Amino acid sequence: DAGVTQSPTHLIKTRGQQVTLRCSPKSGHDTVSWYQQALGQGPQFIFQYYEEEERQRGNFPDRFSGHQFPNYSSELNVNALLLGDSALYLCASSLGADRDNQPQHFGDGTRLSIL
Amino acid sequence: AQKVTQAQTEISVVEKEDVTLDCVYETRDTTYYLFWYKQPPSGELVFLIRRNSFDEQNEISGRYSWNFQKSTSSFNFTITASQVVDSAVYFCALSDITGFQKLVFGTGTRLLVSP
Repeated sequence: DAGVTQSPTHLIKTRGQQVTLRCSPKSGHDTVSWYQQALGQGPQFIFQYYEEEERQRGNFPDRFSGHQFPNYSSELNVNALLLGDSALYLCASSLGADRDNQPQHFGDGTRLSIL
Repeated sequence: AQKVTQAQTEISVVEKEDVTLDCVYETRDTTYYLFWYKQPPSGELVFLIRRNSFDEQNEISGRYSWNFQKSTSSFNFTITASQVVDSAVYFCALSDITGFQKLVFGTGTRLLVSP
């Protein structure tokens, strides 16, 4: 039973570029959430996707956008990269319609470095 | 707004010592979930426990125990007889109880267990 998988593992970009990060949820999960974790900080919620729509969004600018595909996998896109976007980006999956609110399962993350 | 505070930035103990990680939270919701996650150097967030605000019973799982006190808005985590493998960053988190979790994390406590 595959857990949450993210790609790539590491990525180096320069300021102003654009980046796309990918996430495949745990088998059976239909909801994907993205978090940004700066060095030495706790993860910050970016947004969440369910049924191919953005359901919730944290306090992040429009440069951060996403997409969910019919197979529940998801992409996180960041445009016009800034030095402050350097962070570990974590993807988490869950069963959104599960009212028992099972805990989110996290991937290993993508470490994004901006030069 | 929801907020989680982990005042202990780093704790160092010697193997077999007991250690308690503190977590204080703020929320206007009357019902909510509290979580603890472990983040080893690999980066993946590992789920440890979820506690519903309805249930203030303490919980023990092996060497781990949790003390939830709604009156003081605290959800502390104790590791008994710590081991080197317990070395990691531990995060406390808070969410509402809808089917779509938006986790609010604390800044984490780094635990170093030396032999």
